[in-house]
Amino acid sequence: AQSVTQLGSHVSVSEGALVLLRCNYSSSVPPYLFWYVQYPNQGLQLLLKYTSAATLVKGINGFEAEFKKSETSFHLTKPSAHMSDAAEYFCAVTDTNAGKSTFGDGTTLTVKP
Amino acid sequence: DGGITQSPKYLFRKEGQNVTLSCEQNLNHDAMYWYRQDPGQGLRLIYYSQIVNDFQKGDIAEGYSVSREKKESFPLTVTSAQKNPTAFYLCASQSGASGRREQFFGPGTRLTVL
Repeated sequence: AQSVTQLGSHVSVSEGALVLLRCNYSSSVPPYLFWYVQYPNQGLQLLLKYTSAATLVKGINGFEAEFKKSETSFHLTKPSAHMSDAAEYFCAVTDTNAGKSTFGDGTTLTVKP
Repeated sequence: DGGITQSPKYLFRKEGQNVTLSCEQNLNHDAMYWYRQDPGQGLRLIYYSQIVNDFQKGDIAEGYSVSREKKESFPLTVTSAQKNPTAFYLCASQSGASGRREQFFGPGTRLTVL
């Protein structure tokens, strides 16, 4: 079985501040991990993915995430928040045996001017 | 442009009616998925299909049905047996069936039961 826990359903930062969105996973097989972003009333878009290559993964819009097996974590960071980063972010883990993903409950990021 | 389309964007249904949500993709992806999204609950998997003419139940399949007669199409029917169907429905597709690749999402259909 696999699961994802996103710590903090709401995160608020000031423009220019560090963004840190937390994701912890549980998986019985080597995980494939993803971060997606969703803007209001839209579908999800891929930010970045970990597929067992480099542990530090760079994505779009300046986001990156580090896979830490010992901590079962895949936290998302961005050095300097922009107003356009305000959205909901989802972490997901894939069960490659079943070919399906489990999504976290999401974290809403608010960016204050 | 390749992508996934969902229609309609907004759908209103009276209690007791069945409705069908459309999902079409021209990405030549093997796998397709239907999710339900409610506030604060993330995405919950309804049904998925890894190959034409085959599909599997997800975590919340009760009250829903699907078909996969063509690779490009994966319609979802919300039946009258679904107790609380008001939600945002997302369709996704994926290249290959292993889950090693990302999913591509449609823009969603917001269903409201009156």
